Amino acid sequence: EPEVTQTPSHQVTQMGQEVILRCVPISNHLYFYWYRQILGQKVEFLVSFYNNEISEKSEIFDDQFSVERPDGSNFTLKIRSTKLEDSAMYFCASSWAGAYEQYFGPGTRLTVT
Amino acid sequence: LAKTTQPISMDSYEGQEVNITCSHNNIATNDYITWYQQFPSQGPRFIIQGYKTKVTNEVASLFIPADRKSSTLSLPRVSLSDTAVYYCLPPRDFGNEKLTFGTGTRLTIIP
Repeated sequence: EPEVTQTPSHQVTQMGQEVILRCVPISNHLYFYWYRQILGQKVEFLVSFYNNEISEKSEIFDDQFSVERPDGSNFTLKIRSTKLEDSAMYFCASSWAGAYEQYFGPGTRLTVT
Repeated sequence: LAKTTQPISMDSYEGQEVNITCSHNNIATNDYITWYQQFPSQGPRFIIQGYKTKVTNEVASLFIPADRKSSTLSLPRVSLSDTAVYYCLPPRDFGNEKLTFGTGTRLTIIP
């Protein structure tokens, strides 16, 4: 069964550093997403991406965040200057257009020290 | 935008049937009801979706009464591996793709 993969599984970084989280969505999906989950809290939507542009973003997704699909397979989330409060589990997801069924990856645990 | 309400937590013994009810009083005529599951330290996983009456798949059944103001997710003969958080998702606004997760129902299966 096809699945979404994410690397790395755990990333530790110092405050102020840039990080790039990587995802390989399911190959024939058209929509891509990033969500995050701070420990013990809800899963929160960050951004959706379709046709090589952002289709929707949340208030969390400020100028420190960016997404890119640099080739036909990868989908990345960049945080330019990390803050302590960016520590969370980051989930990538993908889906067919308009589908409620989004396929989530295993997540990247980001720890900012 | 319809909101959903579900119990914060439930416990059940192995082998029992578990029913988690979600209320969604403001659901619109064309909205679907969607449930996700999240195991500890994993991403959410789509379980089931329905519009009315009953939907069944290999994981669960979803019962939706005629007024559609609530739905019940039914897990038959649960095992320890069914310990997870179960989310009843509110319908999305038209044109939006994002999923909105609440706190869900934390189901703990007791041996």
